[in-house]
Amino acid sequence: NAGVTQTPKFRVLKTGQSMTLLCAQDMNHEYMYWYRQDPGMGLRLIHYSVGEGTTAKGEVPDGYNVSRLKKQNFLLGLESAAPSQTSVYFCATQNSDTQYFGPGTRLTVL
Amino acid sequence: GDSVTQMEGPVTLSEEAFLTINCTYTATGYPSLFWYVQYPGEGLQLLLKATKADDKGSNKGFEATYRKETTSFHLEKGSVQVSDSAVYFCALVTGGFKTIFGAGTRLFVKA
Repeated sequence: NAGVTQTPKFRVLKTGQSMTLLCAQDMNHEYMYWYRQDPGMGLRLIHYSVGEGTTAKGEVPDGYNVSRLKKQNFLLGLESAAPSQTSVYFCATQNSDTQYFGPGTRLTVL
Repeated sequence: GDSVTQMEGPVTLSEEAFLTINCTYTATGYPSLFWYVQYPGEGLQLLLKATKADDKGSNKGFEATYRKETTSFHLEKGSVQVSDSAVYFCALVTGGFKTIFGAGTRLFVKA
């Protein structure tokens, strides 16, 4: 089992460019989450999904969109990247009360 | 709303020293409590958890006891190793699908 995987691992964008981060899981978990982690800020929830076809806003959703067309995939989109979106992005799933994290995507916006 | 407060870091210890990282919480209802660990360059992973008052979670020599009367879940280890250097996050879950994380405490262990 691969668990939770994230693609890509690293990316550099210019301001205004768009991109999509892919999270995939093979654990058949209903709940999926996108977080960002910034130095000294801990984890902040961007969006989450409680099942296929559903999404909801988290703590810091502005500038991001998400889709959950298939249960195993949760996509995070940046339509027009800004330097403030430079961060490490983590995807997670949840089973019962425990979360399982991917390895992260390090995004730099110039 | 629900929240988790943990001690600020970094915490720097010598190998074989005793570790305590304090964590307190505010929650309505009866949360489950967790410690997650993040090693350099990786995502978080569950270290231990406790689901009700007076439960003790333990793993890899780490322990934490769910103290309802003091709303605390302090992480302890009797003898730390260099390989324990990481960021430790205290967290709680109430209501099923949202986890509230603390800000994280970075631990450095010197040989």
